[in-house]
Amino acid sequence: QKEVEQNSGPLSVPEGAIASLNCTYSDRGSQSFFWYRQYSGKSPELIMFIYSNGDKEDGRFTAQLNKASQYVSLLIRDSQPSDSATYLCAVRQAGTALIFGKGTTLSVSS
Amino acid sequence: DAGITQSPRHKVTETGTPVTLRCHQTENHRYMYWYRQDPGHGLRLIHYSYGVKDTDKGEVSDGYSVSRSKTEDFLLTLESATSSQTSVYFCAISEQVQETQYFGPGTRLLVL
Repeated sequence: QKEVEQNSGPLSVPEGAIASLNCTYSDRGSQSFFWYRQYSGKSPELIMFIYSNGDKEDGRFTAQLNKASQYVSLLIRDSQPSDSATYLCAVRQAGTALIFGKGTTLSVSS
Repeated sequence: DAGITQSPRHKVTETGTPVTLRCHQTENHRYMYWYRQDPGHGLRLIHYSYGVKDTDKGEVSDGYSVSRSKTEDFLLTLESATSSQTSVYFCAISEQVQETQYFGPGTRLLVL
């Protein structure tokens, strides 16, 4: 069973802190990795994707990928209350399938 | 929502009745997907389409069928709805299989 694992949380951080969200995956053949944000009652929206080992930065968000350890993370700098949401990690394996983790709920307190 | 609409947005139906959900896109993307999202399970792929009349099964396809007669429309049919199909259904699209998937607003389905 090919799996994507996330800690369900909730992860609670104060406003202005760095939030660190983690995701592990079981299939070594996985090729691309996505982070989506989902507000309660809304649809998932893409934050960023990463294909290569290392870091990728976009504004306050940084995705980190370590294929050897089968680990992908999302860092949110200067966390804001508006960042409070569920964050979904998704991993594309060879072929079509995009496998989603169950999500981590982030709560940013003001 | 990247030019994706879903209809209906909410539906209540009874066990044993057929139900059809519609996904419509204005992006002319080749790939379309149907997912269901349930507490404790996350998003799971039901069926996907890689072109007009070209579809394939996903992880949880039992009890569901799909059709795609036009590039812009992808229909999901519950042939005989069951209470276990109560869920939130999301349609997604992507231009190519390896590219980002964009999601529609979702349909909340309650089967009594």
